[in-house]
Amino acid sequence: AQKVTQAQTEISVVEKEDVTLDCVYETRDTTYYLFWYKQPPSGELVFLIRRNSFDEQNEISGRYSWNFQKSTSSFNFTITASQVVDSAVYFCALREMGSGAGSYQLTFGKGTKLSVIP
Amino acid sequence: SAVISQKPSRDICQRGTSLTIQCQVDSQVTMMFWYRQQPGQSLTLIATANQGSEATYESGFVIDKFPISRPNLTFSTLTVSNMSPEDSSIYLCSVVTAEGISTIYFGEGSWLTVV
Repeated sequence: AQKVTQAQTEISVVEKEDVTLDCVYETRDTTYYLFWYKQPPSGELVFLIRRNSFDEQNEISGRYSWNFQKSTSSFNFTITASQVVDSAVYFCALREMGSGAGSYQLTFGKGTKLSVIP
Repeated sequence: SAVISQKPSRDICQRGTSLTIQCQVDSQVTMMFWYRQQPGQSLTLIATANQGSEATYESGFVIDKFPISRPNLTFSTLTVSNMSPEDSSIYLCSVVTAEGISTIYFGEGSWLTVV
């Protein structure tokens, strides 16, 4: 069965520090997608990135970067020069490519609460 | 991407009552889902909202407790019936669009507190 583990429950950093959020996943599928979502205190879930299992290229978007390593089943997320607005709960999620509606089901990790202190 | 609006955004409900949450999308979507997030917890899929037919529920969720409608390609409702304090959660609508078929987007969430 699929599983997503975010071992870090809470992280606190001082503004401008870099921070890495860890995500480890388990799946038997060879084809799958990995996601990161941000949930600020207001509650909405904001899509950050999608990565498919065949694309191990790391990605950078502004201060955000993602490191996908199939060898270790990890999809880690780094924020450089953190800002107070980055304070939120971050969720890593896995979508296995099955058939029918089930292939759209997301398995979420428990989330990592990031607090950026001014 | 899609703009997904949920109503209400927040509500305080009395034990034993029912509340219907609406999800409206600004474009036609292929799939719509309802998730629950209990306080301090991760998200759990409640059901897939199927257009024109009964929703498909995940283990642990039943139609009598969480009736769902999806009359068209842009709208769905989730009712939380006979509420108890354990139903206090954020309920989130999520969609898959035809264009972004690989990406799953979420609404703003409906934060329910049952007293």
